[in-house]
Amino acid sequence: DTEVTQTPKHLVMGMTNKKSLKCEQHMGHRAMYWYKQKAKKPPELMFVYSYEKLSINESVPSRFSPECPNSSLLNLHLHALQPEDSALYLCASSQDRWTGPRKPDTQYFGPGTRLTVL
Amino acid sequence: KNQVEQSPQSLIILEGKNCTLQCNYTVSPFSNLRWYKQDTGRGPVSLTIMTFSENTKSNGRYTATLDADTKQSSLHITASQLSDSASYICVVSANRMNTGFQKLVFGTGTRLLVSP
Repeated sequence: DTEVTQTPKHLVMGMTNKKSLKCEQHMGHRAMYWYKQKAKKPPELMFVYSYEKLSINESVPSRFSPECPNSSLLNLHLHALQPEDSALYLCASSQDRWTGPRKPDTQYFGPGTRLTVL
Repeated sequence: KNQVEQSPQSLIILEGKNCTLQCNYTVSPFSNLRWYKQDTGRGPVSLTIMTFSENTKSNGRYTATLDADTKQSSLHITASQLSDSASYICVVSANRMNTGFQKLVFGTGTRLLVSP
């Protein structure tokens, strides 16, 4: 099973709503990632979790709150979003964080959640 | 500044024809280079991954080349099919000091349309 699943596929929310995006993988990967992708732009890294601990936060606004309840699950809690936060949110996982130049680690991406903030 | 540039931005070819996509990068320190295929509204799917010591890597009808001296890579698609229509993204990894993680630098992609 080389699949990363994300739910929901589409989400429409108002600026006062609280919602959550979910990501799941059963490949035994210990690193998980959240990316944001605007139309016709490359993905932008938001957060990295390694062994269920937040390792990297790319200066993301606090209205985005990640959570890693266990090694297979990654959530992104959304609160008080702005219309400019509308984007495709991608989750990815990799076996482990890179440990050397000859051990590149492929990231497997989920299908994404298309988020629209009204 | 770490950058990945891809050309062309978009490309239309007839089904059955071959095509080559280009990627130039200024990423340091270089770790590896990946090509991903991304269908519209979907997550990227890895096609190939190459370290600095690898010149070429194939995956079915996809063949990637890497010239670490000139910092260029290409993705060659042979006998194109309608299902090849997608964006192709070149991603270069830089060693991220003190964290053990690689920083992925994404290109803006080439949008390929295969026409019947």
